[in-house]
Amino acid sequence: QTVVTQEPSLSVSPGGTVTLTCGLSSGSVPTSYSPTWYQQTPGQAPRALIYNTNSRSSGVPDRFSGSILGNKAALTITGAQADDESDYYCVLYVARGSYVFGGGTKLTVL
Amino acid sequence: QVTLREPGPALVKPTQTLTLTCTFSGFSVSTHGMRASWIRQPPGKALEWLARIDWDDEKFYSTSLKTRLSVSKDTAKNQVVLTMTNMDPVDTATYYCVRHDSSGYYFEHWGQGTPVTVSS
Repeated sequence: QTVVTQEPSLSVSPGGTVTLTCGLSSGSVPTSYSPTWYQQTPGQAPRALIYNTNSRSSGVPDRFSGSILGNKAALTITGAQADDESDYYCVLYVARGSYVFGGGTKLTVL
Repeated sequence: QVTLREPGPALVKPTQTLTLTCTFSGFSVSTHGMRASWIRQPPGKALEWLARIDWDDEKFYSTSLKTRLSVSKDTAKNQVVLTMTNMDPVDTATYYCVRHDSSGYYFEHWGQGTPVTVSS
């Protein structure tokens, strides 16, 4: 069974930069898995930020960027703002018609 | 404008079958390239993908839940339906209906979610 790993929690100072990662228990994350990142605030449905590793969804500020860092997918927030405090989920397209979410990262801005 | 309308909160008893209907507007479920998924989130926990149905009626299911899930679409009503059998308290979650983006890469449009409680 595929397990997608994320940091349970991270913190960043306002204006700072933070990188969230998305890994695989079985090895490297290939770009063919089309890593996608979602932001979720309490009581709301998730919102897509980054898809297909590094493409920004419509209306997403350019302080959010996606990449592959080492053997993991990564979401970097540059110039963090207070309203970036949210839960962040990555999801990998691991096989045709099969998606696996990570456990999520709770980001605190303080 | 793409909208996905889901029903209000649901309460089901253990062993019962859950049926959720998502009504789409702003696009047709039979349009070439349309893909819709169901995703759930237990309280305080992570998202979990459940199932996907495509415009051509091809269907995909979570490996761990496939024996309990069924997804279908009603073209005339522009709806997608999820059925989950043998419900258990661990299935208590908010269930989201989602439409993929036009290229199929990601979950672009989300419904507001339906809270489902499984309790006797």
